[in-house]
Amino acid sequence: GIQVEQSPPDLILQEGANSTLRCNFSDSVNNLQWFHQNPWGQLINLFYIPSGTKQNGRLSATTVATERYSLLYISSSQTTDSGVYFCAGRVNQGGKLIFGQGTELSVKP
Amino acid sequence: DAGVIQSPRHEVTEMGQEVTLRCKPISGHDYLFWYRQTMMRGLELLIYFNNNVPIDDSGMPEDRFSAKMPNASFSTLKIQPSEPRDSAVYFCASSLESGATDTQYFGPGTRLTVL
Repeated sequence: GIQVEQSPPDLILQEGANSTLRCNFSDSVNNLQWFHQNPWGQLINLFYIPSGTKQNGRLSATTVATERYSLLYISSSQTTDSGVYFCAGRVNQGGKLIFGQGTELSVKP
Repeated sequence: DAGVIQSPRHEVTEMGQEVTLRCKPISGHDYLFWYRQTMMRGLELLIYFNNNVPIDDSGMPEDRFSAKMPNASFSTLKIQPSEPRDSAVYFCASSLESGATDTQYFGPGTRLTVL
């Protein structure tokens, strides 16, 4: 079936720590994207990462499409990184995005 | 650009009432998406439009839900009659194209509570 699975479901970090979030996706899902939903509910697109590696400041993402997984790295975490991180993929052709259940990150000062 | 605009931001209504949610996509974007977020089901796509035409409405839960996009700058999601299980946050998103760079930009959401 069509699946996007994320791990871990939740994560608590001390400020300054690094973390890795994982997203596994099934064969029919492509064009991975990572989103951050802040504590106020706003969803922000972090990366469009169908394959390869991208970096944006303290965040980077790597997708290995042949092995059906993507990783989001957060380095030197800050309290403002708290929220829920979602990965999502497109189902074959068309615009439909399937979201994972999210990883809830809490960064403590 | 103002981003995707949704209204109202909060809506509280009683069971049986009609609810209309509104969305203005980013100017020039030709894809518009309606999502629903609940604790139980997470984020799920309800329907999306391309150039004002509904493309995939397989996520619309039932006939009580309907969506329209009369022009490129406006869309509505209507629930009639509303039920308590419709309580959720409804997001609208838009993108420039659904292809190599289909970054979706989300609105702030409408938090709907049906009593």
